[in-house]
Amino acid sequence: DAGVIQSPRHEVTEMGQEVTLRCKPISGHNSLFWYRQTMMRGLELLIYFNNNVPIDDSGMPEDRFSAKMPNASFSTLKIQPSEPRDSAVYFCASRTGWGSPLHFGNGTRLTVT
Amino acid sequence: EDQVTQSPEALRLQEGESSSLNCSYTVSGLRGLFWYRQDPGKGPEFLFTLYSAGEEKEKERLKATLTKKESFLHITAPKPEDSATYLCAVQAVGNQGGKLIFGQGTELSVKP
Repeated sequence: DAGVIQSPRHEVTEMGQEVTLRCKPISGHNSLFWYRQTMMRGLELLIYFNNNVPIDDSGMPEDRFSAKMPNASFSTLKIQPSEPRDSAVYFCASRTGWGSPLHFGNGTRLTVT
Repeated sequence: EDQVTQSPEALRLQEGESSSLNCSYTVSGLRGLFWYRQDPGKGPEFLFTLYSAGEEKEKERLKATLTKKESFLHITAPKPEDSATYLCAVQAVGNQGGKLIFGQGTELSVKP
């Protein structure tokens, strides 16, 4: 099993540019989560999907952030326009069902200058 | 509001020096408590799930225990390769979709 796959691993962009982060969950997993990790705030949940449907996006910081899951094997997190304070490591995670553990990808390190 | 607090923030041990990490939680009802290990530049790696008070899980030098208010991760005779950040997360009963709330983590350093 390849695990959760995220791309790119690193992204450096200028303030105001659009950023798209990608995630391929583990095959057969029906829940997908997007987290952001910073030194100050730790791991923060941004949004999660069950069976491709967004369940809770209350963690999305602002309207500049949006996430989609067009099918069971792909999700995107988009930031438009990006700002320096968005700099963080963004993780995608998936799981088989309620109460089962999350399996994380290796993250995308985003730097906005 | 559901909350998870881990202590200490950082812990330095000598190889072979056993110790424990703490995870205190406040939830309306616990569905599950999860321990993860995170190495630099990588995503968190799942270690254990605990579901009810009194439950214990073991893996090599690690043992996780659970009470109604906290969980401990005991590390027996640690080795340098156990150095990592250890994260605790909880899932509350009934929370929509089953989201996990993470603590800030404990950064463990084991010196040879």
